[in-house]
Amino acid sequence: SQTIHQWPATLVQPVGSPLSLECTVEGTSNPNLYWYRQAAGRGLQLLFYSVGIGQISSEVPQNLSASRPQDRQFILSSKKLLLSDSGFYLCAWSVRGGWGNTIYFGEGSWLTVV
Amino acid sequence: DAKTTQPNSMESNEEEPVHLPCNHSTISGTDYIHWYRQLPSQGPEYVIHGLTSNVNNRMASLAIAEDRKSSTLILHRATLRDAAVYYCILTNDYKLSFGAGTTVTVRA
Repeated sequence: SQTIHQWPATLVQPVGSPLSLECTVEGTSNPNLYWYRQAAGRGLQLLFYSVGIGQISSEVPQNLSASRPQDRQFILSSKKLLLSDSGFYLCAWSVRGGWGNTIYFGEGSWLTVV
Repeated sequence: DAKTTQPNSMESNEEEPVHLPCNHSTISGTDYIHWYRQLPSQGPEYVIHGLTSNVNNRMASLAIAEDRKSSTLILHRATLRDAAVYYCILTNDYKLSFGAGTTVTVRA
């Protein structure tokens, strides 16, 4: 069966510090990968998605970047965090190809920028 | 992506059915109707999806109007664990755009 892991689960970072959130998917090959963010009291916002190694699409301009160094690994990064980067970050995956496929989410990472 | 409209909130009693409506009058022929739910402090969870016909699974049923401009998610017997935000989403590619959803409260 397929599983998705993301870490760390929680972190508190000072403004201006770097960020790295990692996500890996197991039990499948060539998945579509996603990073979503949910700010406090707000809806889920798609930040990045990837359909293959090295292929990253950004949905919104921001202080963050994403990379996919391996087929089942997706990394969310920032060089300098802002207070507005605080939120609940979710990695997700779906089966490559076709449309209307189900997206499966990880358990999320809580980021507080202080 | 075509837009969906859901009520902000709904209340239900435990062990009673819950009918969650979703309007999507601008749906296109290739749009799938997906439902996800998000429990507090967790990532969204897939509930059900369909294209044209009604669908049933172990979690819920999805009733799709004949003209596909609306749909209803049916939880047959609500439990306290069904308290969550329920999202109705249209998609015809590999991305999901979440709206505000419907917050479901279940009373014991």
